Amino acid sequence: TQLLEQSPQFLSIQEGENLTVYCNSSSVFSSLQWYRQEPGEGPVLLVTVVTGGEVKKLKRLTFQFGDARKDSSLHITAAQTGDTGLYLCAGLPGTYKYIFGTGTRLKVLA
Amino acid sequence: DAGVIQSPRHEVTEMGQEVTLRCKPISGHNSLFWYRQTMMRGLELLIYFNNNVPIDDSGMPEDRFSAKMPNASFSTLKIQPSEPRDSAVYFCASSLGLRLSLETQYFGPGTRLLVL
Repeated sequence: TQLLEQSPQFLSIQEGENLTVYCNSSSVFSSLQWYRQEPGEGPVLLVTVVTGGEVKKLKRLTFQFGDARKDSSLHITAAQTGDTGLYLCAGLPGTYKYIFGTGTRLKVLA
Repeated sequence: DAGVIQSPRHEVTEMGQEVTLRCKPISGHNSLFWYRQTMMRGLELLIYFNNNVPIDDSGMPEDRFSAKMPNASFSTLKIQPSEPRDSAVYFCASSLGLRLSLETQYFGPGTRLLVL
């Protein structure tokens, strides 16, 4: 069974702080996606990375795909209360079946 | 576009009853996915359709679960008979279906199922 481990599982920080969430696996992925999910809603795609070492930025969010395409990180600069939610990574080992990570639940306090 | 539509949003039923979950994908999307989300197991793919044809149902827990896609705008996930361990949030998602590794999957709001 392929596993995508995310760390930390839970994170509570003050508004304005920086944070990094990690997504690790022993499997190689052809692409990796990051989602944010808010309570009572479905996950919403934030980014897709496909090339080893790739870095993508989305405003205050920076996503990096590991050189070996087995891991990824999400860095948030100057977190805001609107960043609160469940962050999920999802890796694609084949052609269509994404394997979702265990999730990181982030709470940003005002 | 209204996005992916799921119904009902909440379902409470008793063990042994039949449950049918419904999904309307985004118009023009050729791929449809059913997922289940629980605290213990996270988000798991149950079944994947492409052009209304089931491509991979290896994630369907057992024979009590079945899914159909009679046309491009409608899909159902049925559980019969339901059991308490089926309690979860069930999501439907759709995508264009041209190149899945680069595409966005659009998730519906989910159906929260509680089996007593």
